[in-house]
Amino acid sequence: DTAVSQTPKYLVTQMGNDKSIKCEQNLGHDTMYWYKQDSKKFLKIMFSYNNKELIINETVPNRFSPKSPDKAHLNLHINSLELGDSAVYFCASSQDGRGNNEQFFGPGTRLTVL
Amino acid sequence: GDSVTQMEGPVTLSEEAFLTINCTYTATGYPSLFWYVQYPGEGLQLLLKATKADDKGSNKGFEATYRKETTSFHLEKGSVQVSDSAVYFCALYYLTARQLTFGSGTQLTVLP
Repeated sequence: DTAVSQTPKYLVTQMGNDKSIKCEQNLGHDTMYWYKQDSKKFLKIMFSYNNKELIINETVPNRFSPKSPDKAHLNLHINSLELGDSAVYFCASSQDGRGNNEQFFGPGTRLTVL
Repeated sequence: GDSVTQMEGPVTLSEEAFLTINCTYTATGYPSLFWYVQYPGEGLQLLLKATKADDKGSNKGFEATYRKETTSFHLEKGSVQVSDSAVYFCALYYLTARQLTFGSGTQLTVLP
C-alpha cells in the first residue's frame, strides 16, 4: 500500500497554463506539506497544513494555492505557470506538526513548463 | 536564522569504502537533527535522527552523533554498498520555525 501518493508523476505544460497536482496519504497523519526541489536538488518547503488548517506559508508566489479538502488530501493548484516553476514537487505527511516526527514523502511530481 | 551546511558533492567511492558526509548547523537552542536519503526517482526517506546532544542515530549501518560543541551531525558508514548510491540530506527542526530546514544534499555514487 502506498503511504503518500501523488498524481501525476510527470506534468509537461505550456507557460501560462493552470495545473493541479494531487496528494493523498493513508497514514492517518494530521499534517501535510508541499516541497519544491530544484534542478540542483535543493529542497524548500512551500506550505504546511495541520488538520486542514494552513500553518506554514513560505514566500511562495500567490499563483500557488494549496487546498486541503480533508486531512488526508493536500492538493496544489498553480495558475499562470512560468518557466521557473519547472521543478520536482514533493508532498509529505507527518503524524503531527512536531518536528521530531518522521516526515513521509511521496514519489514526487516532475513539472516541466515549456 | 536556522541553517544547515553540508559537504558538497558529488562523492564517488568504491564498494566497501568508508563514508563520511559532513553536516554542520546554525541554530539557537537545541534543534532535532535528521538525515534523509533520496534514492533515484523516489521521494525522501528518513535514515536516522537524533533529538538531543550526544545522541547517536543509526540505521542500515549508517551512524551520526549529535555534537553540540561542534554543532555537527556527520553521517558515517564503515563499508558502503552500490545500493547506497543516493542523495543524502541533513536537516534540522527547531520548534519556533515549525519546519524542517534541509541542507543542499550530497550525491553519493558507489562503484562496484
